[in-house]
Order: sequence, then structure tokens, then C-alpha cells
Amino acid sequence: DTAVSQTPKYLVTQMGNDKSIKCEQNLGHDTMYWYKQDSKKFLKIMFSYNNKELIINETVPNRFSPKSPDKAHLNLHINSLELGDSAVYFCASSLLGGAEGVDTQYFGPGTRLTVL
Amino acid sequence: KQEVTQIPAALSVPEGENLVLNCSFTDSAIYNLQWFRQDPGKGLTSLLLIQSSQREQTSGRLNASLDKSSGRSTLYIAASQPGDSATYLCAVSNAGGTSYGKLTFGQGTILTVHP
Repeated sequence: DTAVSQTPKYLVTQMGNDKSIKCEQNLGHDTMYWYKQDSKKFLKIMFSYNNKELIINETVPNRFSPKSPDKAHLNLHINSLELGDSAVYFCASSLLGGAEGVDTQYFGPGTRLTVL
Repeated sequence: KQEVTQIPAALSVPEGENLVLNCSFTDSAIYNLQWFRQDPGKGLTSLLLIQSSQREQTSGRLNASLDKSSGRSTLYIAASQPGDSATYLCAVSNAGGTSYGKLTFGQGTILTVHP
């Protein structure tokens, strides 16, 4: 039973193309995230949605557009891909807690994007 | 702006050793701190989560402590095994405002346990 799944696992594409990565969670969580891990393995948040509402939007080029059709899905669409977009993109989910804050974040297996 | 630093960047030990990984953060207004493990080419696996009101959490051979006031956490691994070899990541979730829910990660400690 996969908790957080992402498709595709690998994505190789040419500069200038548009591509999408899909994420689904079956944990009943209300919050989902996209993180980017660069070539130096540094992980940084990009976006977060809570109940389909955008709650975190870091300084990310507007070529990146997240879409959350429902609480269980958060997709990432990237327009006009550039070489610098090559990275591993991780989806995660959690339950946004009360006074103690967010709960454990569960991560998907990642999507390795290579832009040629 | 929250910054998370992990020391050492890499660690190589013989099997059976007890070891300590360190994590420090600049903004003590956190909700919780999470330790993850990442195997090469894989996603992240959550090991332990410590709420801001807690001092430590234990799971099997792992023990994580939190000193919020000094901005430090340590991950203690007892009786290390070759299967513990991985990158260990520390991440903090800040309190309130637009930081709510966001994890800020350290650069990780690459651990190698050799037989």
C-alpha cells in the first residue's frame, strides 16, 4: 500500500518543453507539499496546499504551477523547462495539526527530472 | 529566516559503534523537528518527530533530543549496523504565519557503517 506516490519516477525532456508530475496520497492527510532537491542534495520547499488552498508559495519561477484537484492529489506543471530545472522533485503530505503544529510529513519516492 | 546546519557532513564508522549526529537551527520558534533517512536514489523516510514541547523521542536504537532554547538537536544511533548507512536529514517546522507547515532542511549527514 503506497502512502504517497508520484508519477513518473523519471522524466527526461528537452529544454522549452512543458511537463507535469503527479502526486497522490492515500493517508487521509489535508496538506500536501512539493520540495525540490538539487544536485547538491539540498531539499527546499516550493509549494504547499491545505484542503486545496495554496498556503505556502516560496520564491519559485511562475513557470511552475501547482494544481490540487482534491485533498488527495497535488500536481506540478512546469512550463518552458530550463536546464536549471533538472533536479529530484519530492511530494509530501501531512495532517495540519492544532496547537502542536503539523504532524509527520510523509514523502513520495521522488521524480528525477532531467532537462537536456 | 530559518537556517538549519548539520554536522558532520559525512561520517564513516565501524559496525557496532554508537554515534551522534548534530543539527542546529537559528530560529528557536519551531513547532517540531523531524529526523529523516534518505537512501541513495530513494525518497525520505521519517525516523523521529519531536514536538517543540518535548525533549526527546526514542525509536528502537534511535534517540533524538531537542534543546529548543539553544537551537540544537542530536540523533543518537546505538550499536550501528551496515544497514544504517544512508543520508540523515534534520528538518524543522516553524511556528505560525506563512511558515506554517514548511520544513526547512539541513544539508544532511552521509553516514557509512562498514562491517
